[in-house]
Amino acid sequence: IAGITQAPTSQILAAGRRMTLRCTQDMRHNAMYWYRQDLGLGLRLIHYSNTAGTTGKGEVPDGYSVSRANTDDFPLTLASAVPSQTSVYFCASSGTSGSTDTKYFGPGTRLTVL
Amino acid sequence: GQNIDQPTEMTATEGAIVQINCTYQTSGFNGLFWYQQHAGEAPTFLSYNVLDGLEEKGRFSSFLSRSKGYSYLLLKELQMKDSASYLCAGMDSNYQLIWGAGTKLIIKP
Repeated sequence: IAGITQAPTSQILAAGRRMTLRCTQDMRHNAMYWYRQDLGLGLRLIHYSNTAGTTGKGEVPDGYSVSRANTDDFPLTLASAVPSQTSVYFCASSGTSGSTDTKYFGPGTRLTVL
Repeated sequence: GQNIDQPTEMTATEGAIVQINCTYQTSGFNGLFWYQQHAGEAPTFLSYNVLDGLEEKGRFSSFLSRSKGYSYLLLKELQMKDSASYLCAGMDSNYQLIWGAGTKLIIKP
């Protein structure tokens, strides 16, 4: 079934630890995105990638890094987790960036940093 | 600044009609999106409006007034499965989505 997968589903992490959230899509979409969703706030863009080999910063990039080695995968890394990074993280993709293409979301990763 | 406002929570009765309002302020405008998000799940696309007027899609319709910076999502013949959060998002001149916090819709029998 075509779509976006994310791993892990949920994670509890000690502050200061490094963590990589995985995201894979099989729709051959060029653009991919990482959002965080916190109670009472709208989805906030962390990083994005317009195409394989390129990445860009979103609204809240500090403390996060991404890479886009190929079309399908877009991992998000927290180098040294802090409690304020407790959130639900959604990966999304769309056919092209800079367009009104619909974004498709993965199932999310619920991360708790203690 | 850029901002999306929508009510935090609404309650409606099964079989009834409900209208969820959204006002937006974006730097430039490339359209208004509505997404549905069930608890613990991913947002899923419902509708996109870029021209003024009403777009109907089955039980769901979405309306846009660009001059007023206003949109609404209309849900008819409500079913229990419509209990979810509804996210309004405006797309700015850079094709970036500005998201509202979502409206939690509670359907009562």
